[in-house]
Amino acid sequence: DTAVSQTPKYLVTQMGNDKSIKCEQNLGHDTMYWYKQDSKKFLKIMFSYNNKELIINETVPNRFSPKSPDKAHLNLHINSLELGDSAVYFCASSHTGELFFGEGSRLTVL
Amino acid sequence: DAKTTQPPSMDCAEGRAANLPCNHSTISGNEYVYWYRQIHSQGPQYIIHGLKNNETNEMASLIITEDRKSSTLILPHATLRDTAVYYCIVRPFYSGGGADGLTFGKGTHLIIQP
Repeated sequence: DTAVSQTPKYLVTQMGNDKSIKCEQNLGHDTMYWYKQDSKKFLKIMFSYNNKELIINETVPNRFSPKSPDKAHLNLHINSLELGDSAVYFCASSHTGELFFGEGSRLTVL
Repeated sequence: DAKTTQPPSMDCAEGRAANLPCNHSTISGNEYVYWYRQIHSQGPQYIIHGLKNNETNEMASLIITEDRKSSTLILPHATLRDTAVYYCIVRPFYSGGGADGLTFGKGTHLIIQP
């Protein structure tokens, strides 16, 4: 069983489109996160959700919006995609200090 | 999170012990040392963490200096599959809720040579 699963793994789309990436965790964790890894391989936290409450929102454009229908899911919606949004997006979950990451979703904006 | 300093890259021969250093001279008393690694094209993977005592698990050992200003991650018998970027991170330990995320630096790219 995959602990943290993301879909889709690959996403290619045009500039200006709106897209979503889904994340599910079956670990019963209270907190979920979205990270972005750019072409230079830097991993940066974007959001975290604890019990459906947004508790971190780093300097991320408001085109990005996390949506959590329940504790096991944290989806990432991106509006009006730009070239600079091309990256690998990782979902993670945590109960304490140990984070469990998904395998990533590679987004390519053309 | 306190800042950490790691060498950008290291080589190690297969079968030998890989020793990855990390400096965290500004670590606070309530901050733990965490190690993660990221194998190419995969999500980061937790390895080990510790506060002040040395720790060992099935993946690695963590040696923290007495003043807690530096630590070393030891992979006792490195294999080719251990080639990855290794991240040393310091942060408080959350007993529940895990409110804060991890701040990743540049890490050390460990290359295991056959």
